[in-house]
Amino acid sequence: GAGVSQSPSNKVTEKGKDVELRCDPISGHTALYWYRQRLGQGLEFLIYFQGNSAPDKSGLPSDRFSAERTGESVSTLTIQRTQQEDSAVYLCASSLSAGGKAGNTIYFGEGSWLTVV
Amino acid sequence: AQSVTQLGSHVSVSEGALVLLRCNYSSSVPPYLFWYVQYPNQGLQLLLKYTSAATLVKGINGFEAEFKKSETSFHLTKPSAHMSDAAEYFCAVSPSSYKLIFGSGTRLLVRP
Repeated sequence: GAGVSQSPSNKVTEKGKDVELRCDPISGHTALYWYRQRLGQGLEFLIYFQGNSAPDKSGLPSDRFSAERTGESVSTLTIQRTQQEDSAVYLCASSLSAGGKAGNTIYFGEGSWLTVV
Repeated sequence: AQSVTQLGSHVSVSEGALVLLRCNYSSSVPPYLFWYVQYPNQGLQLLLKYTSAATLVKGINGFEAEFKKSETSFHLTKPSAHMSDAAEYFCAVSPSSYKLIFGSGTRLLVRP
């Protein structure tokens, strides 16, 4: 597709259940990122992939959070035993190579809205 | 550690008026700075970025930002607001070759 695609766009889950959020980056983009946006707050960095490896996963809030990327394409963010504080928008982004200070523009998806009840 | 602070969670202007969204940064090294815009139900879109080439940076949709080292600021401006500018705007700094650190965002409201 033309942009970063995320699914589901909305997810309501019960506390304690596991959820998986999917991200399809722009074709050819080797760098992929996950961010979290809580209501009324800025974006928090979660994890960065370069290819299929994750050199920086320092933003993952707890061991309930994990992410993987296969085939230098699709990535899945998994949250186990969800808690109410996990409610947020989870944004995926990609760039041609490393973005930010490295210069490549980072493109964001529309996000997956997660509500834990 | 690098950070950005956006002053004002909400800014309201009349259509045709000047838009000024404030961003101050904290960095011990020359920063790379960005402004992103998020329209309702859409992902973030890059407006402009500062990479030390020029202090006045022009972006899309008539927006520009000026890097002022003495004030540690990177405020976003537009001479004349349009209804379609209503959105949330995020300032960000890049401390490394891949990571972006975002401010808390400013929601711009444009009154007819």
